[in-house]
Amino acid sequence: KQEVTQIPAALSVPEGENLVLNCSFTDSAIYNLQWFRQDPGKGLTSLLLIQSSQREQTSGRLNASLDKSSGRSTLYIAASQPGDSATYLCAVRTEDTGRRALTFGSGTRLQVQP
Amino acid sequence: GEEVAQTPKHLVRGEGQKAKLYCAPIKGHSYVFWYQQVLKNEFKFLISFQNENVFDETGMPKERFSAKCLPNSPCSLEIQATKLEDSAVYFCASSQAINEQFFGPGTRLTVL
Repeated sequence: KQEVTQIPAALSVPEGENLVLNCSFTDSAIYNLQWFRQDPGKGLTSLLLIQSSQREQTSGRLNASLDKSSGRSTLYIAASQPGDSATYLCAVRTEDTGRRALTFGSGTRLQVQP
Repeated sequence: GEEVAQTPKHLVRGEGQKAKLYCAPIKGHSYVFWYQQVLKNEFKFLISFQNENVFDETGMPKERFSAKCLPNSPCSLEIQATKLEDSAVYFCASSQAINEQFFGPGTRLTVL
């Protein structure tokens, strides 16, 4: 059974810092990995999707990497801003002929101090 | 539409009452997923559909939960005889084949 872990559970940084959020998964046979952002009381916004054959994806100040063999992904946020404050979730789609649902980590709650 | 739509936004039910949630997937997406988010951001997969057919229901509590995706109608998730522990935010997502999933804004169910 796929399990996804995110470390740290919470993070508080001053504005302008670069930071790394970590995600690990137990079953390396994945289709893809998706990073989401969730604001309090809101839905999920997809940030980046990395296919299993890819090593990284970039969007603006965000860079996500994937090391499938070691079961790890990182989300790098450059020059953090107070508007980046949210919970960040990673989710994997396991390579299984039947299931296409996502398995989520429990998230990292990020607070960027102005 | 271009976004996954979910209604209602909030739903309050007394314990034992029925609750019905709706989801309109993005036009052209064949797959619909339902997830339940409880405390501490824990997402639990409930059920998925490929068009109107159940694709995977391994996460569904069979006794009280049911779901449908009928042609030309929003998908629905129904909870018979709600319990306190059913209080959660229910998210619907849609996708095309194995591409990324797009999530709706969720329905917050509160069972009193």
